[in-house]
Amino acid sequence: GNSVTQMEGPVTLSEEAFLTINCTYTATGYPSLFWYVQYPGEGLQLLLKATKADDKGSNKGFEATYRKETTSFHLEKGSVQVSDSAVYFCALISPQGGSEKLVFGKGTKLTVNP
Amino acid sequence: SAVISQKPSRDICQRGTSLTIQCQVDSQVTMMFWYRQQPGQSLTLIATANQGSEATYESGFVIDKFPISRPNLTFSTLTVSNMSPEDSSIYLCSVAGSHSGELFFGEGSRLTVL
Repeated sequence: GNSVTQMEGPVTLSEEAFLTINCTYTATGYPSLFWYVQYPGEGLQLLLKATKADDKGSNKGFEATYRKETTSFHLEKGSVQVSDSAVYFCALISPQGGSEKLVFGKGTKLTVNP
Repeated sequence: SAVISQKPSRDICQRGTSLTIQCQVDSQVTMMFWYRQQPGQSLTLIATANQGSEATYESGFVIDKFPISRPNLTFSTLTVSNMSPEDSSIYLCSVAGSHSGELFFGEGSRLTVL
């Protein structure tokens, strides 16, 4: 079945540090890949997505590239801010039997200190 | 985008009791989704609620344990019945966006069962 594995947290960084959160997936067919973010006290929201191999999703300074050969979709940001402190979820959707269901990773908590 | 409100935001419940979580959306939507996020785990889809029909439950979830109502296009409830400590989780309501894999989430309802 489809699954998403992302690096265990928590991750603690200083402001302006480089961020990488690893995500790998297992899926049938050709999945679309997503990163969702959950800020403290808020619901999850879509951060970025990529729908085919070699696509790069980007938003708010975050980037992730869909790598089919390594089945990965690692999230990166060159310089994190305190306001980036949140839980980040990698997810995929892969049509199976005509339906589409999002499959999420366990989430990685990021804390950025000033 | 959609604005989703959930109530209660958190509750502490006694074993054997039931609790109903409400989800209100600021626009009319065909499908609403209920997820569970257990401690340290990924989000798991419980069921899909369509207005005017029975909810569709995922493997491992049954209507007797998680009855769902969907009386109109902007509202749904999820009841967690006969609770045990294993039901301690965050329960999330969500609706689909206009693009495949895009979901909007409520802020979640954190249940603790003693």
